Amino acid sequence: AQKITQTQPGMFVQEKEAVTLDCTYDTSDQSYGLFWYKQPSSGEMIFLIYQGSYDEQNATEGRYSLNFQKARKSANLVISASQLGDSAMYFCAMSQVNQGGKLIFGQGTELSVKP
Amino acid sequence: GAVVSQHPSRVICKSGTSVKIECRSLDFQATTMFWYRQFPKQSLMLMATSNEGSKATYEQGVEKDKFLINHASLTLSTLTVTSAHPEDSSFYICSAREGLAGSKNIQYFGAGTRLSVL
Repeated sequence: AQKITQTQPGMFVQEKEAVTLDCTYDTSDQSYGLFWYKQPSSGEMIFLIYQGSYDEQNATEGRYSLNFQKARKSANLVISASQLGDSAMYFCAMSQVNQGGKLIFGQGTELSVKP
Repeated sequence: GAVVSQHPSRVICKSGTSVKIECRSLDFQATTMFWYRQFPKQSLMLMATSNEGSKATYEQGVEKDKFLINHASLTLSTLTVTSAHPEDSSFYICSAREGLAGSKNIQYFGAGTRLSVL
């Protein structure tokens, strides 16, 4: 069965440093998408970055990049030059075409950026 | 990114009453909308998938008579919590997707609704 695992319940990073949030997934399908969302304390879910299973290059969006290692089934999020406003919950998610594109979420990682 | 509006953001109601939550895609047509529930410090749990003009598909364990979903247009889906009880208190959040379940159809989320049933 498909599954997303985030093994870091909480992470701390110093302002202006880079941080990596881990995500591993399990699926037997060849076609899937991997997403990262940010959830501040206000509750909204903000889309950050997407990686398709057939994409050969790692996705990047501004300060966010996704370290996609298909053989290891990992899709880690790298945030460069952390800012205080990056403090939030971060969720990794996967969708599969044959599941109607439903998102399956990991447990989340709470990131705290220290000044 | 696309904008999804969810209303109300917070509602407090008495036990036994019904509560309606609206989810609107403001700048795109949402073929599919999703409803999630989130308990404190936990991840999002999918409740149901809503396709415009057809009946919603509920996840296992979700009572369809308790959580009524209507997706009457390509920009609006509603979730009605019928005869709400304190155990229904939670954070409900919707998302909308523009196209079919293709390789890169991103779900954009509303801001969520915090429901408190007294």
